[in-house]
Amino acid sequence: AQSVTQLGSHVSVSEGALVLLRCNYSSSVPPYLFWYVQYPNQGLQLLLKYTSAATLVKGINGFEAEFKKSETSFHLTKPSAHMSDAAEYFCAVSVHNTDKLIFGTGTRLQVFP
Amino acid sequence: DAGVTQSPTHLIKTRGQQVTLRCSPKSGHDTVSWYQQALGQGPQFIFQYYEEEERQRGNFPDRFSGHQFPNYSSELNVNALLLGDSALYLCASSPTGEADTQYFGPGTRLTVL
Repeated sequence: AQSVTQLGSHVSVSEGALVLLRCNYSSSVPPYLFWYVQYPNQGLQLLLKYTSAATLVKGINGFEAEFKKSETSFHLTKPSAHMSDAAEYFCAVSVHNTDKLIFGTGTRLQVFP
Repeated sequence: DAGVTQSPTHLIKTRGQQVTLRCSPKSGHDTVSWYQQALGQGPQFIFQYYEEEERQRGNFPDRFSGHQFPNYSSELNVNALLLGDSALYLCASSPTGEADTQYFGPGTRLTVL
């Protein structure tokens, strides 16, 4: 069965600092991996996805994630945090052609001035 | 181009009642998925509809049922509401051939008293 684990339910950074949100996955077959962002009282917005092409995936708002099979990881990074990045971030996995997303428990990112 | 829309925004029901939530997919999308997001948790997959049929189902009881109409819009019905059904219900639609890339609506906040 597929699953994702997000390490750290809360992450706090200063504006301009590096953002690193951790996600490890478990899948018996090559996974598709996703990062979504959720702002307060809103739905989920897709940041980026990995579908077995390039291992370094660039997304919107300056975010990127690297698929590392040896570490079963798909960590999300951004070189310089903005105040507007404060939100809840979810890592998710799906197995190709099942169309079902399995989400992690989320990481709340706080950005301090 | 309107994105995924959901109605109502908020809903308050009492235990034992029935509720219907509605979703209109993004233009050109024919697959609709429903997720339940309890407070402080990641979304949990309920089921997915394609061509007016339930294609996949998560681990939810039969009290949860759905429907998809010829125009691809969808309803989620929950019978015999329990306090534990209180959550944000998210609808996601997918473009043809990319069912693993889901665009989410803003959700319906259901409170069961």
